[in-house]
Amino acid sequence: SQQGEEDPQALSIQEGENATMNCSYKTSINNLQWYRQNSGRGLVHLILIRSNEREKHSGRLRVTLDTSKKSSSLLITASRAADTASYFCATDANFGNEKLTFGTGTRLTIIP
Amino acid sequence: DVKVTQSSRYLVKRTGEKVFLECVQDMDHENMFWYRQDPGLGLRLIYFSYDVKMKEKGDIPEGYSVSREKKERFSLILESASTNQTSMYLCASSSPREDNQPQHFGDGTRLSIL
Repeated sequence: SQQGEEDPQALSIQEGENATMNCSYKTSINNLQWYRQNSGRGLVHLILIRSNEREKHSGRLRVTLDTSKKSSSLLITASRAADTASYFCATDANFGNEKLTFGTGTRLTIIP
Repeated sequence: DVKVTQSSRYLVKRTGEKVFLECVQDMDHENMFWYRQDPGLGLRLIYFSYDVKMKEKGDIPEGYSVSREKKERFSLILESASTNQTSMYLCASSSPREDNQPQHFGDGTRLSIL
């Protein structure tokens, strides 16, 4: 089974609304990262949160991490049509290297 | 910007063929990775490499091998292609010298095995 499981699998919202995606994982982690994938393209790194951090912001992105529940959430505020993409969480459980385990992704559609 | 280039966007091969997927990065990154991406399964790591001539198995190495003769190039080899290897293949690179060490991805090769 996947280390990271995103929820929901798919999400459609109106432009301007906020989008929230969740990620759960199974083992202890060093850090958790979020990536975006536009259709037919590779993944692009969005943000990283370390295991000793609880919240992090980057522009319209807000990530939270609850290590006691082994879960993370990604909030995109004031969504735009260009935010339409798949979003993946990835966990780094191996201290000292960069091997990541990716989840199955959330497909986000922003309706203009 | 880091650029990771995969040699083909689309590739069609026949069962039993030996298939080579090539990946080149231009940022002198130490680490390189090969993933396959399938609907409902996310990305799964096939092989990765921390240095030239060095390789380590990922989660699903069966049926694949890799080669890293030069730092900038990481090749994925399907020794004898089978239909269950039809998939999207993604290459990535990273460096411990880069803050947060994000992985940088190519645009993928969609491989069909007939």
